[in-house]
Amino acid sequence: RKEVEQDPGPFNVPEGATVAFNCTYSNSASQSFFWYRQDCRKEPKLLMSVYSSGNEDGRFTAQLNRASQYISLLIRDSKLSDSATYLCVVNGDGNNRLAFGKGNQVVVIP
Amino acid sequence: ETGVTQTPRHLVMGMTNKKSLKCEQHLGHNAMYWYKQSAKKPLELMFVYSLEERVENNSVPSRFSPECPNSSHLFLHLHTLQPEDSALYLCASSQDLGGATYEQYFGPGTRLTVT
Repeated sequence: RKEVEQDPGPFNVPEGATVAFNCTYSNSASQSFFWYRQDCRKEPKLLMSVYSSGNEDGRFTAQLNRASQYISLLIRDSKLSDSATYLCVVNGDGNNRLAFGKGNQVVVIP
Repeated sequence: ETGVTQTPRHLVMGMTNKKSLKCEQHLGHNAMYWYKQSAKKPLELMFVYSLEERVENNSVPSRFSPECPNSSHLFLHLHTLQPEDSALYLCASSQDLGGATYEQYFGPGTRLTVT
């Protein structure tokens, strides 16, 4: 089983709509969870950390489900500028390593 | 310069060449990383340095040789590479290792093509 699994998509989303996707992780001992955003041909940048209680940052909401070992990201009122690949990131085996998923590609359509 | 910089941004090299990738972070961080990003694959961690000491080598072939002369600079020396080594090589830094709880800041990457 892969450390972090994501459905690569693409997720074609009409502008203004809501899109949500999950990622699953295999290491039940993981303590740190993140969503990174990567624009085409650019480097990844932290979008938000994911906390046990769930957290929201503007139009973005992240949730963690430890029992089922998945995290989710929801984007409300999608903007054209939200088009990017969203990487699910979890601290992997050992203490010093982040494990990345392949990413969910989101394309917001006018 | 701010953040994490990488040079060169693009590199084409033959299989018999020797080249080096350079990374510099201007954030005062203590940990630095090399990642490889191939098409259709997730980021793969290659090396981790903390305070100039290598703390992880993620089963990387010896044709990749990292060097960390100080906490601000990280190099990746390349020799006798294979075409399958063509990828985007990303450098990142974080405040500390801290069980991978700190945000990692990435450089723009070096797009490497091995011919």
